[in-house]
Amino acid sequence: ETGVTQTPRHLVMGMTNKKSLKCEQHLGHNAMYWYKQSAKKPLELMFVYSLEERVENNSVPSRFSPECPNSSHLFLHLHTLQPEDSALYLCASSQDFGTASTQYFGPGTRLTVL
Amino acid sequence: GDSVTQMEGPVTLSEEAFLTINCTYTATGYPSLFWYVQYPGEGLQLLLKATKADDKGSNKGFEATYRKETTSFHLEKGSVQVSDSAVYFCALTRATSGTYKYIFGTGTRLKVLA
Repeated sequence: ETGVTQTPRHLVMGMTNKKSLKCEQHLGHNAMYWYKQSAKKPLELMFVYSLEERVENNSVPSRFSPECPNSSHLFLHLHTLQPEDSALYLCASSQDFGTASTQYFGPGTRLTVL
Repeated sequence: GDSVTQMEGPVTLSEEAFLTINCTYTATGYPSLFWYVQYPGEGLQLLLKATKADDKGSNKGFEATYRKETTSFHLEKGSVQVSDSAVYFCALTRATSGTYKYIFGTGTRLKVLA
């Protein structure tokens, strides 16, 4: 596969469940990102990893827990979510963490919290 | 704080019409500016970018010029096609205090009718 892949594409979970989102990039990039996309709101940057080290955590609730075991994989662990967490979660990667770097996005995971 | 403002959609045009999608930004320093496009069921992909004032980004017939004096980065295309129907996101990145900010707009949906 090429580019950035995300699994699952759709996820429905109850508020007491624990689930994980997976992202994999096949581009040899050094930086990876998690974004939340909600209707009629700007994309919200959640977390950034550069060279497997977390460099940004934008005031995200602790019920979201990222993990970057290597430069190709990024996970978002979910537990005790709220209905307002329902959204499209996008993963992205870029060659480096910097201002001019183009980000390459995956297709997203559509999350519904009941 | 930094922000990106885009015109609300949807924008509905007939094929071969001229397209303008407005984008203005608020940021200190010298941000880089981007337009990303999201086709149905897919992640965002870079359309064009400009990294300094007066730069013009262009791709696939789309153009945008980085105007620092008006803090704008409007997207234009001379003749749209049905295949251009998608959601368009304006974004900025800039360096700040040893890290980088990534700010996206809310997106503008474009519908092109045959």
